[in-house]
Amino acid sequence: DVKVTQSSRYLVKRTGEKVFLECVQDMDHENMFWYRQDPGLGLRLIYFSYDVKMKEKGDIPEGYSVSREKKERFSLILESASTNQTSMYLCASSLLAEGEQYFGPGTRLTVT
Amino acid sequence: EDQVTQSPEALRLQEGESSSLNCSYTVSGLRGLFWYRQDPGKGPEFLFTLYSAGEEKEKERLKATLTKKESFLHITAPKPEDSATYLCAVLRYQLIWGAGTKLIIKP
Repeated sequence: DVKVTQSSRYLVKRTGEKVFLECVQDMDHENMFWYRQDPGLGLRLIYFSYDVKMKEKGDIPEGYSVSREKKERFSLILESASTNQTSMYLCASSLLAEGEQYFGPGTRLTVT
Repeated sequence: EDQVTQSPEALRLQEGESSSLNCSYTVSGLRGLFWYRQDPGKGPEFLFTLYSAGEEKEKERLKATLTKKESFLHITAPKPEDSATYLCAVLRYQLIWGAGTKLIIKP
């Protein structure tokens, strides 16, 4: 079974802090994704990566950056956290770019 | 504008009461439609992919169907463990997600 793990389940940070969210997958998938999920809205894509050191902007990249130094690991960085970045963050991976995605359990981030 | 709309937002059923969830889309050049299940506090779990109108897929009490404008997730004789939020997503260049339908099955 594909396993996607995320570094924290819950995180509380202060406005202006730099925040790192880490995601690791164990199935040698090429593609990895970061989404945020807010009530009443569908999942929104922040960034994705189709290979090591490669990244592409999604629909809402502003205020975020990513890093993929190893195939299994994809990090999301909030350079200066703001209260409107309070959300559930979901990481996913897929073997094929257009194939089914496998999700981690999510990180619920609260920025105060 | 590409859009995916799920209805209803929430659905309460008695155990054994069959029903359907709807996912309608206005996406040109659809390359696939995905259904996921999400339990509280967890990430979405993949259920089905449909690629062309008329296609159907089944898994236990769930059956997904696809037309040119919408997809249905039919739930037959549901059990309490089917309670979850069901998400659909349409693939164009990337996945475009609906907001989900929260399904509650009462014993």
